[in-house]
Amino acid sequence: DGGITQSPKYLFRKEGQNVTLSCEQNLNHDAMYWYRQDPGQGLRLIYYSQIVNDFQKGDIAEGYSVSREKKESFPLTVTSAQKNPTAFYLCASSIGSLGTNEQFFGPGTRLTVL
Amino acid sequence: AQSVTQLGSHVSVSEGALVLLRCNYSSSVPPYLFWYVQYPNQGLQLLLKYTSAATLVKGINGFEAEFKKSETSFHLTKPSAHMSDAAEYFCAVSGRRGGNKLTFGTGTQLKVEL
Repeated sequence: DGGITQSPKYLFRKEGQNVTLSCEQNLNHDAMYWYRQDPGQGLRLIYYSQIVNDFQKGDIAEGYSVSREKKESFPLTVTSAQKNPTAFYLCASSIGSLGTNEQFFGPGTRLTVL
Repeated sequence: AQSVTQLGSHVSVSEGALVLLRCNYSSSVPPYLFWYVQYPNQGLQLLLKYTSAATLVKGINGFEAEFKKSETSFHLTKPSAHMSDAAEYFCAVSGRRGGNKLTFGTGTQLKVEL
């Protein structure tokens, strides 16, 4: 089955530690995205990538980093510089970068920093 | 900059009653608009999208939305609510320039009561 996988579903880390969230897609999509979801705030864009080896900052990139070395993978690292990292993180992909292209979402990773 | 406003963070309806979830957009150019649904601790699923073809858009699970330029609105409706419709609903907008970065509203939690 084609889709987007995110692992793990739940993640706990101590304050000050970097943590990497996995996102893999087998849809052959060119574009991939990372969003952060907090209660009552909707989804906010962290980073996006329109093509392999290229990515751009979204609205709230501070304290995060990404890489796009393979078409199917777009890992997100939450660094110790992120002041409030506890949140639900969603990865998405789309076939292209046109405004009409639907984004498909993964099941999400809930990160809790203790 | 484009944005969407969802009026009512919580909406409650009786089973069998009309569902109306409101979304107003702000955009300097005609936008592309999307409605997504999210069940607890899951990713988002596309319900429907407006891409400047027909102004009345039909989606999955009996939902539809009408694009009204004069009112800058894209409200989501369903004639008869079902218990399985209980979820959080997000309106989102993307532009004609700069790729398909989505800007989300803050969401509306729909409760369906017997």
